[in-house]
Amino acid sequence: AQKITQTQPGMFVQEKEAVTLDCTYDTSDQSYGLFWYKQPSSGEMIFLIYQGSYDEQNATEGRYSLNFQKARKSANLVISASQLGDSAMYFCAMRNSGGSYIPTFGRGTSLIVHP
Amino acid sequence: DAGITQSPRYKITETGRQVTLMCHQTWSHSYMFWYRQDLGHGLRLIYYSAAADITDKGEVPDGYVVSRSKTENFPLTLESATRSQTSVYFCASSESATGGYEQYFGPGTRLTVT
Repeated sequence: AQKITQTQPGMFVQEKEAVTLDCTYDTSDQSYGLFWYKQPSSGEMIFLIYQGSYDEQNATEGRYSLNFQKARKSANLVISASQLGDSAMYFCAMRNSGGSYIPTFGRGTSLIVHP
Repeated sequence: DAGITQSPRYKITETGRQVTLMCHQTWSHSYMFWYRQDLGHGLRLIYYSAAADITDKGEVPDGYVVSRSKTENFPLTLESATRSQTSVYFCASSESATGGYEQYFGPGTRLTVT
C-alpha cells in the first residue's frame, strides 16, 4: 500500500526567503509519480509540479522545485523567493504506474508567508 | 469555458433529499474523480472513472452513486443526504501523454445538509 507523510502541519516563512515543505512516501513499486498541489484559501486545488520515479533530474517549474531523494523516499517541495500569494495549504501526492493510477494524498502543510 | 467545472458551487439541502453534483471537463481526459474534503481527513476519494461507462469505488463510496455516460461528464448523486455528507466536494480529471497523470481539479461544491 502507498503512503504519503507530511510531518509539518504548519510552516512560516519571511517574504522573499526560500522554504522547504517535507514529504516522505512509502511504496514497494519501482515506477511511480510524485506530485505537489497548492490549495489557497479560495479553495481550489492547483497542480504545481510532477516528478517521475525514473527521472534523474529534479523537476522544476518556475519558483517551485522538487527535491527528489529516491533512496530516502522523500520528495520535498522547495519554493524559492516566497511571495505573499504562496500562503496556502500544500499537498504532496503519489500514484503508482500500474493499475488504476489513483493517487494517494498527504494530509497537507499550511504555509504562511509573512511580509 | 475550457477546463473543469462544477455545479452548483454551493448547495444547501435537507436530510433525506436526493442531490446531484455536476462535473464537466472539456479536455476529454480519460480519468475522472470525486473527492470530499473535510477538516481532519484531508482529501478522500469517493468514486473514480477510467473511461465512459467504467466507474469504481474509492475510499468512502457509501451513500453516493456515480455515472459516466459521456467522457466529459461525471455526476455524483447523494441518494438520501445525511448530515455527515456535509463537506466540500471536488471533481478532478487526469490524462497525460507523458505519463504524469497529474490531476486538474474543479472549483469545488460546498454542500450543507441540514
